Amino acid sequence: ETGVTQTPRHLVMGMTNKKSLKCEQHLGHNAMYWYKQSAKKPLELMFVYSLEERVENNSVPSRFSPECPNSSHLFLHLHTLQPEDSALYLCASSQGSGVDTGELFFGEGSRLTVL
Amino acid sequence: GQNIDQPTEMTATEGAIVQINCTYQTSGFNGLFWYQQHAGEAPTFLSYNVLDGLEEKGRFSSFLSRSKGYSYLLLKELQMKDSASYLCAVGYNTNAGKSTFGDGTTLTVKP
Repeated sequence: ETGVTQTPRHLVMGMTNKKSLKCEQHLGHNAMYWYKQSAKKPLELMFVYSLEERVENNSVPSRFSPECPNSSHLFLHLHTLQPEDSALYLCASSQGSGVDTGELFFGEGSRLTVL
Repeated sequence: GQNIDQPTEMTATEGAIVQINCTYQTSGFNGLFWYQQHAGEAPTFLSYNVLDGLEEKGRFSSFLSRSKGYSYLLLKELQMKDSASYLCAVGYNTNAGKSTFGDGTTLTVKP
């Protein structure tokens, strides 16, 4: 199995829908992240979980709700999104403990389109 | 803010050498990463610098000057497959070391 896997790879949803993005890492890491990548913009850090506790929430609207049930799984629940939320959502993990340089291991991303 | 500046686009010829620069704010610096991202794919790790100097890894090298807030990624013997976006990312103590990304440099390698 690959290091970090994300599903679905592509998602189209209406503004009133509820959907979830899933991320799973098989690297034994302790930290997991959600990033948003929009066209012509840098990667934006949304949420960070370390040892299953949310340690950072970068002023992300409440229509995005993360969940980390264990150190291997991370979800991003989506509700009443706006068209400007259309982007590539990248999950990443890092060692998160011991000698952690902060090197990120990314999943392939979930391409979200909000109509 | 923690401005990270890198050129938006660069073009080079197959077989040539290209240098992609990155400048950043030095306060609280904790390490600098370079990632490669092909269109439609995930970013992948290329290099990590925390001390001054040049780190060489095959055709790719990365340089860091902490005092100048400056790094570059050097790509030698360019191949068509090197066409990608190259992301400079900096870890800061103020952000628990978590990486802040630049806008990325889109490199196009031409025959």
